[in-house]
Amino acid sequence: KAGVTQTPRYLIKTRGQQVTLSCSPISGHRSVSWYQQTPGQGLQFLFEYFSETQRNKGNFPGRFSGRQFSNSRSEMNVSTLELGDSALYLCASSPRTGLWETQYFGPGTRLLVL
Amino acid sequence: GQQLNQSPQSMFIQEGEDVSMNCTSSSIFNTWLWYKQDPGEGPVLLIALYKAGELTSNGRLTAQFGITRKDSFLNISASIPSDVGIYFCAGQLIRGNTGNQFYFGTGTSLTVIP
Repeated sequence: KAGVTQTPRYLIKTRGQQVTLSCSPISGHRSVSWYQQTPGQGLQFLFEYFSETQRNKGNFPGRFSGRQFSNSRSEMNVSTLELGDSALYLCASSPRTGLWETQYFGPGTRLLVL
Repeated sequence: GQQLNQSPQSMFIQEGEDVSMNCTSSSIFNTWLWYKQDPGEGPVLLIALYKAGELTSNGRLTAQFGITRKDSFLNISASIPSDVGIYFCAGQLIRGNTGNQFYFGTGTSLTVIP
């Protein structure tokens, strides 16, 4: 069974630009969560999508948004990029919403904002 | 921001030694999880804890859910070189109007010297 895949794996952008990251969950998983990992703040929960609806949300500004498609694939968008948005962005999939212990993480997308 | 304080931040130990790390919070968590992250990969779940006082083992790993529900510890016995990595605690906090949130600890970097 294929694991969680994220594309692209690496990305370089400049301040003010926007970026879209993609996550394909494990087949059969309908929940996708997104996390930001930085050396200073550690791993922080962004949001969770289930059945194309945002179910849970962390404390991030509105520049961070996401969506989920009918095939459970998810995208995360960050608008008006700031230097502090440089991070490893991880997504995780789970069979159902809120089942944190059944999350499987992808390898992440490393974003560098210049 | 972060609500889980994890210690120690880093550890350097000899192969064969036991390791202990812990996580504390000012909030009551409903679930405690422990993950390990290898370089270039996403976190992988090691142990999940659901009830106050619960003690669970997974091979050489043992974790406990604190009685107050505000802390947890992870022990690794007889460490081996492949134990090297970053260990994270994580917990689920149920919030009424904003949905469930999921927090990660600050991480413990473990180095095992052969």
